[in-house]
Amino acid sequence: TQLLEQSPQFLSIQEGENLTVYCNSSSVFSSLQWYRQEPGEGPVLLVTVVTGGEVKKLKRLTFQFGDARKDSSLHITAAQTGDTGLYLCAGALIIQGAQKLVFGQGTRLTINP
Amino acid sequence: DAGITQSPRHKVTETGTPVTLRCHQTENHRYMYWYRQDPGHGLRLIHYSYGVKDTDKGEVSDGYSVSRSKTEDFLLTLESATSSQTSVYFCAISPNFDRYNQPQHFGDGTRLSIL
Repeated sequence: TQLLEQSPQFLSIQEGENLTVYCNSSSVFSSLQWYRQEPGEGPVLLVTVVTGGEVKKLKRLTFQFGDARKDSSLHITAAQTGDTGLYLCAGALIIQGAQKLVFGQGTRLTINP
Repeated sequence: DAGITQSPRHKVTETGTPVTLRCHQTENHRYMYWYRQDPGHGLRLIHYSYGVKDTDKGEVSDGYSVSRSKTEDFLLTLESATSSQTSVYFCAISPNFDRYNQPQHFGDGTRLSIL
C-alpha cells in the first residue's frame, strides 16, 4: 500500500498546455517536498511547502499544500519541452525524532513540441 | 551541488554474492539515507543513519544492512544478493534535524543488476 498516492503516473501533452499533478494521502505530513529527477541523476528539490494551504510559485510552476497537510498539487502553466522529466512528491514524517520522507510513485511528464 | 559520491555507479553481479555500495559525503551532514527506486514505487527508504554508528531501519530493510563508522561514509550491504534487489540505489544526506524538514540532497545513484 502506497502511503502517498501520486497521479497521474504518466502524462504526455503538447507544448503550451497546462497540467496538474496530484499527491494524496490519509496521513498528515509536517511538510511536502517536490523533486524533479533527470535520467541518470538523483532527485533535485524544487520546493518545500510547510503550512496548510500554502501556495508557492516557481516561475510557471505553482505548488499548493492542502489545508489539512495531507495532499499537494503541482500545476504547470504553458508547459515547455524543458519541463520534461520525472516529478516526485515526498511527504515528511517525524518518527522517533528523525525525519523520514515518504515518496509518491512519481509522474513521468513528457512535453511534446 | 551537495558533495555526495556514490560508488560504484554501475554493478552487475550474480545471485548469492555479497555486494557493498558506498556513499561518501563532504558536507559533514548528520543524516544519511539509502533508498531504492523501482518503477511504480518511487523511492523507498531502506535504512538511515542519524550519526556515527547510529542507524535504523526504513520500510524495505529486509536483506540489507548498513554501517557508518565515520560521518562521511555510509555503506549499504546486501549480504546475499537476490534478483529482487535489482534496482537503482540512491544515497541522500540532510543536515541537523529541523522541525520544518530541510530537504534531502541526493547522489546520482548506483544501478545494480543481479543476475
